[in-house]
Amino acid sequence: DVVMTQSPLSLPVTLGQPASISCRSSQSLVYSDGNIYLNWFQQRPGQSPRRLIYMVSNRDSGVPDRFSGSGSGTDFTLKISRVEAEDVGVYYCMEATHWPPYTFGQGTKLEIK
Amino acid sequence: EVQVVESGGGLVKPGGSLRLSCAASGFTFNNAWMSWVRQAPGKGLEWVGRIKTKTDGGTTDYAAPVKGRFTISRDDSKNTLYLQMNSLQTEDTAVYYCTTLNGVPLNDYWGQGTLVTVSS
Repeated sequence: DVVMTQSPLSLPVTLGQPASISCRSSQSLVYSDGNIYLNWFQQRPGQSPRRLIYMVSNRDSGVPDRFSGSGSGTDFTLKISRVEAEDVGVYYCMEATHWPPYTFGQGTKLEIK
Repeated sequence: EVQVVESGGGLVKPGGSLRLSCAASGFTFNNAWMSWVRQAPGKGLEWVGRIKTKTDGGTTDYAAPVKGRFTISRDDSKNTLYLQMNSLQTEDTAVYYCTTLNGVPLNDYWGQGTLVTVSS
């Protein structure tokens, strides 16, 4: 199975400053159709997860444009251009290329400094 | 409005069984591949298993830790997903989420989760 490794696991950020989370997979996430099926999820405290990004860089409906995803092959990044208070929570990457199983990263806890 | 509502969680003894239900509305349930994802207390997300649509064969896949013990089924006439959990172990203690989890440009819906506690 693919192993997804996120860093950092804890991310203290000052309001208004940028934040970046890395996600690395143990093997390439390029599918046979040429696409990469890499998602990013946000889980706010006490809430269910919510998908932010699919296929590396596509924002889901309603996701603010301060969130962006990038990457290729085995290295991916979620960036928040200017952190707001509502961004506090845990962020997970998840690969959907080599299913089953779907594999999540360990999660990165973003907090306000 | 989309609604995904899990039910059936509770306290069960090791070795026991429990069936979770997930009632969905507001989207075309019979066109959706459905998954269960769980989250142990204070831990990360873990995919449990998935069932495809009847059109795609209705087949199921499971994560290794639950294979042979858990069974996912669906009743499209009731827009309901099920998770039958047998031979429960303390490690199965978690909040169980019902979701349309996917990696493609399809809407991604999650329920609020239902807590399963396995303890003697």
